[in-house]
Amino acid sequence: EAQVTQNPRYLITVTGKKLTVTCSQNMNHEYMSWYRQDPGLGLRQIYYSMNVEVTDKGDVPEGYKVSRKEKRNFPLILESPSPNQTSLYFCASSPMASDTQYFGPGTRLTVL
Amino acid sequence: AQSVAQPEDQVNVAEGNPLTVKCTYSVSGNPYLFWYVQYPNRGLQFLLKYITGDNLVKGSYGFEAEFNKSQTSFHLKKPSALVSDSALYFCAVRDTNAGKSTFGDGTTLTVKP
Repeated sequence: EAQVTQNPRYLITVTGKKLTVTCSQNMNHEYMSWYRQDPGLGLRQIYYSMNVEVTDKGDVPEGYKVSRKEKRNFPLILESPSPNQTSLYFCASSPMASDTQYFGPGTRLTVL
Repeated sequence: AQSVAQPEDQVNVAEGNPLTVKCTYSVSGNPYLFWYVQYPNRGLQFLLKYITGDNLVKGSYGFEAEFNKSQTSFHLKKPSALVSDSALYFCAVRDTNAGKSTFGDGTTLTVKP
């Protein structure tokens, strides 16, 4: 089944404890992206990747890191999480930058 | 910089009535426009898109959208609403070259029996 998977689905952590949210797609898509969803703010793009080894900042990159070492994986790294990073995170992929995006199920992160 | 506006936080309609969810955009160059739907506790699902061609785009579940270049709008419509259409709807625009993707703040559609 063609899909985007994210792990973990739920995570409660404490301020400053490094964490990684994984994202994987099995559709051989070139483009991948991370978003955060907050009430009243819609989805805001954190980082995106046009293809392997190419990443770029979205609208809200502060406090996040990404890497794209292989086509299928695009992990989101929070080196030192803070409470304002409590949010619902979505990973998405598409064949190319202009195409329809396919979204993962989301990761609900709480930083205490 | 590109932007998307969904002027209504909430739209309420009665089942069987037509519905419209509004979206306006700003982007340099030709727009690639999308509508997505999010059901409670779920990820986003694609509804329809405008790339080029016919200004009236038909999508999933009986939805359609009309691209209006002069008004920079891409309103989502459905002739007859169903209770099961109740969800959160997002309009999005993509930058065809640079990879950025911008979403509106979302509109909650409630269809009452």
